[in-house]
Amino acid sequence: GDSVTQMEGPVTLSEEAFLTINCTYTATGYPSLFWYVQYPGEGLQLLLKATKADDKGSNKGFEATYRKETTSFHLEKGSVQVSDSAVYFCALNGNQFYFGTGTSLTVIP
Amino acid sequence: GAGVSQSPSNKVTEKGKDVELRCDPISGHTALYWYRQSLGQGLEFLIYFQGNSAPDKSGLPSDRFSAERTGGSVSTLTIQRTQQEDSAVYLCASSLVSSGGRYEQYFGPGTRLTVT
Repeated sequence: GDSVTQMEGPVTLSEEAFLTINCTYTATGYPSLFWYVQYPGEGLQLLLKATKADDKGSNKGFEATYRKETTSFHLEKGSVQVSDSAVYFCALNGNQFYFGTGTSLTVIP
Repeated sequence: GAGVSQSPSNKVTEKGKDVELRCDPISGHTALYWYRQSLGQGLEFLIYFQGNSAPDKSGLPSDRFSAERTGGSVSTLTIQRTQQEDSAVYLCASSLVSSGGRYEQYFGPGTRLTVT
């Protein structure tokens, strides 16, 4: 069945460092891919999405490209800020949603 | 417009009691999911409703857990004979449905359940 595998955390970075959080998927068909973010004490919210191969989703300086050939949707940001500290979830939706286990990011000043 | 709402926001109950958690999805959203999130953990899928189809109950951890969705809208998650390990935040999410799954889920604020 469909599934999402996400990089284990926790990840700790200094402010202005480059961020990559790896996400790979297994799916039949052509799902859409998502990154959700959960800030401390808050609910999950959509960060970005891509609905077909080679699409790039972007928001708040974060980017992820839907790579069908490598079945990946890695999240990147060129320069993280303290306010980016949160848990990040990769997800796919073919005909049902599947979430990764989440990656905790802490950015230190 | 209104988002996904859940009630109550907090629930403290004694071990062995039954609890009901409610979710009001976004109007028109035919897909509804329940998840459980323990402290510092990821999302644990519980159950999925899609339109009039039989729900996917594969994530329910025991027969003490059940859920209904009435009229394709409001859903209730019931936990019978609660145990301390049931303590968690219960999240509800809803979405539109399409081929290719291009619609995102919208999450409610969750119900924090504490079993004493």
